Amino acid sequence: QTVVTQEPSFSVSPGGTVTLTCGLSSGSVSTSHYPSWYQQTPGQAPRTLIYSTNTRSSGVPDRFSGSILGNKAALTITGAQADDESDYYCVLYMGSGVWVFGGGTKLTVL
Amino acid sequence: EVQLLESGGGLVQPGGSLRLSCAASGFIFSSYAMSWVRQAPGKGLEWVSVIRGSTGSTYYADSVKGRFTISRDNSKNTLYLQMNSLTAEDTAIYYCAKSPIVGATVPDYWGQGTLVSVSS
Repeated sequence: QTVVTQEPSFSVSPGGTVTLTCGLSSGSVSTSHYPSWYQQTPGQAPRTLIYSTNTRSSGVPDRFSGSILGNKAALTITGAQADDESDYYCVLYMGSGVWVFGGGTKLTVL
Repeated sequence: EVQLLESGGGLVQPGGSLRLSCAASGFIFSSYAMSWVRQAPGKGLEWVSVIRGSTGSTYYADSVKGRFTISRDNSKNTLYLQMNSLTAEDTAIYYCAKSPIVGATVPDYWGQGTLVSVSS
């Protein structure tokens, strides 16, 4: 069974830029996987940042952007702020109506 | 304003059943796919199921296939998840989510979730 992979943790300095990735244990991620990205802080429901590779969800600032980098989907955060410190999840469409989430990346801003 | 309000969670014994509901408002419910996503305590997100708006087609994660049934009542703007043969591994917060655009099935707008605990 194909696993969706994410970095377990990442850190970024305030004001800096960070790129989180979302890959597959077997194969490459493409736009056909419609990668989407979510932000979640402890005790809160997830918030959608990006869907379908690079479309920002309603109200999401343009500091957040999505792309395909090499064989992975990527979420880039520019001008990192303290309240960007969260867990970030990607999800990929695997076909036949099925979606699979990655294990999440814990982002620290320090 | 889009609103999603889950209910129906609670404590249930292993092998038992539970039906979750998600009351929706602020959008044309029948047009959008609706999803259930769960999160076990201290764990990541797990996609559970989705039901399309137009066709009512349903899809499930392997972990729940044959035990869970997603359905919707477009006249009541309500999404359901019937959960049978529950095990401790089904303990989680269950979120319902709306797709971002007509025709898409990815979760976008999320409710606040309802907690399901499976324990004897």
